[in-house]
Amino acid sequence: DGGITQSPKYLFRKEGQNVTLSCEQNLNHDAMYWYRQDPGQGLRLIYYSQIVNDFQKGDIAEGYSVSREKKESFPLTVTSAQKNPTAFYLCASSIRHNYGYTFGSGTRLTVV
Amino acid sequence: SQQGEEDPQALSIQEGENATMNCSYKTSINNLQWYRQNSGRGLVHLILIRSNEREKHSGRLRVTLDTSKKSSSLLITASRAADTASYFCATGRIQGAQKLVFGQGTRLTINP
Repeated sequence: DGGITQSPKYLFRKEGQNVTLSCEQNLNHDAMYWYRQDPGQGLRLIYYSQIVNDFQKGDIAEGYSVSREKKESFPLTVTSAQKNPTAFYLCASSIRHNYGYTFGSGTRLTVV
Repeated sequence: SQQGEEDPQALSIQEGENATMNCSYKTSINNLQWYRQNSGRGLVHLILIRSNEREKHSGRLRVTLDTSKKSSSLLITASRAADTASYFCATGRIQGAQKLVFGQGTRLTINP
């Protein structure tokens, strides 16, 4: 079955640490996205990529970094520069812009 | 920057009743999409309506789009307990960055 997989489901980060969230899709989708969701809030775009080896900043990119070396993979690194990283992170993909998104099941990141 | 705004923020109805949620947006769009999110999970794509369409149906879902008023509504008929979730609208813009912009969501509770 095709889908999009995020791992881990839960992640704990110590102050000053970088952590990387994994996102893999086998849908052959060109575009991939990372969103952040805070409790009771909507989704805010962190980064997105329309094609391999290219990505753009979203609305809240500060303190985050991404790479898109393979079509299937779009990992997100939460750096120590992100001062309030505790949130629910959602990865999504779409065949291209203006089509429906397929979402992963999310990673809940907590700073300890 | 949030494009869509859902109304109401929360809605509680009895099982079997119809549920209506509204979404307003600000800029010209190519399409508008509705998503469902169960608590702690990823989003699931429900329906996409293009800017040249006025109404679309999918099972118990009915979506309308009024581009002159920059608004959309999602109607769920004969609601079930399993419909309890948050519902988000998302807009695909004609110009600018190639991304969907999500609203804050409507929290729907179906009481048995």
